[in-house]
Amino acid sequence: AQSVTQLDSHVSVSEGTPVLLRCNYSSSYSPSLFWYVQHPNKGLQLLLKYTSAATLVKGINGFEAEFKKSETSFHLTKPSAHMSDAAEYFCVVSEIINTGTASKLTFGTGTRLQVTL
Amino acid sequence: DTEVTQTPKHLVMGMTNKKSLKCEQHMGHRAMYWYKQKAKKPPELMFVYSYEKLSINESVPSRFSPECPNSSLLNLHLHALQPEDSALYLCASSLYLGRANTGELFFGEGSRLTVL
Repeated sequence: AQSVTQLDSHVSVSEGTPVLLRCNYSSSYSPSLFWYVQHPNKGLQLLLKYTSAATLVKGINGFEAEFKKSETSFHLTKPSAHMSDAAEYFCVVSEIINTGTASKLTFGTGTRLQVTL
Repeated sequence: DTEVTQTPKHLVMGMTNKKSLKCEQHMGHRAMYWYKQKAKKPPELMFVYSYEKLSINESVPSRFSPECPNSSLLNLHLHALQPEDSALYLCASSLYLGRANTGELFFGEGSRLTVL
């Protein structure tokens, strides 16, 4: 069975400072990993995805994540936080099902990012 | 068109009402999903449709009844709900790419349901 663990339920940073949201995964095979963001009262938006290509993945809005197999980690970073980054972030592992025609996502518990002035 | 559209955005219903949530996508995706999200929790999978056939039901109570009339539409029929069913209901879709399937889901904005 696959699982993800988000190590922080809440992270607070000042605007302009770096962001680090931590995620560890467990998977018996090479996983597909994602970070999704959810702003208040909104749906989920894909930030970035790792699918066994480059280990350093660039996403939207300046976010990056590095896949480290030896550490089973997929931490999300951004060099400089902006007020608009305040949201809930989910680390997600995907399992392909139904002979490849669909996917089953396993979500982490989420990290709420607060950005202060 | 890269959107998953859900209607209505908000719904308030009594425990004896019958209502439906609707989801639509025109990206040619052949898998569609319903998720339920309670406040401050991650989404929980309810149903998966693949090529218009129900392939996963995560032991959801029968008061929730999904329907996939065609490859672009997904409905969730609601009847005799309980107050604890109040939540954000998210629809998603995904593209089948064969062996290159990355497992990425595209989510709608959700329908916020309140059961009185």
